[in-house]
Amino acid sequence: DTAVSQTPKYLVTQMGNDKSIKCEQNLGHDTMYWYKQDSKKFLKIMFSYNNKELIINETVPNRFSPKSPDKAHLNLHINSLELGDSAVYFCASSQGWGQGYNEQFFGPGTRLTVL
Amino acid sequence: GQNIDQPTEMTATEGAIVQINCTYQTSGFNGLFWYQQHAGEAPTFLSYNVLDGLEEKGRFSSFLSRSKGYSYLLLKELQMKDSASYLCAVRGPGSARQLTFGSGTQLTVLP
Repeated sequence: DTAVSQTPKYLVTQMGNDKSIKCEQNLGHDTMYWYKQDSKKFLKIMFSYNNKELIINETVPNRFSPKSPDKAHLNLHINSLELGDSAVYFCASSQGWGQGYNEQFFGPGTRLTVL
Repeated sequence: GQNIDQPTEMTATEGAIVQINCTYQTSGFNGLFWYQQHAGEAPTFLSYNVLDGLEEKGRFSSFLSRSKGYSYLLLKELQMKDSASYLCAVRGPGSARQLTFGSGTQLTVLP
């Protein structure tokens, strides 16, 4: 299936731990994104990469570090997890960015719970 | 920056028509998107407007007025499966042109 996939789907961990979430898209898109959706359902952009280059880096604690080994992958590493990091994290991709009708395709989300 | 407002909740009856409004104040504008998100699932694209007017796509239509900073999503012949959250998102200016999402409107369709 052509899609945006993320692993894991659920992640439960203790405060202070380090964890990673992986994202892959096989749509041939140039641009990938990480969003955080909190308990109030606000979907906020965290990072965006275009052709492996960082183009959006919102005000996110530097405990969060994205890594794009190639155009099809954008991983998110989180150090020293805090309770407030509990949320659903969505990866997305689009063909190009900022021009015209280039809809974003979202992955299924990773529900992170920090205890 | 961007500020996007949508009603938090709406309820409608199966077979009816519902209009979900979205108003925005932005420092720049490069298009408005509507996404649908079912509980526990990913958002999926519904529509895109960049010029004023109505875009129709089957049972769903979206309208934009840039001068008023206003859009609406119109859903006709409502079905139970339309119960979901509807997210309005505005693409901003600048080189990044990122999407800023509203908090979503939770639509409940009743039989």
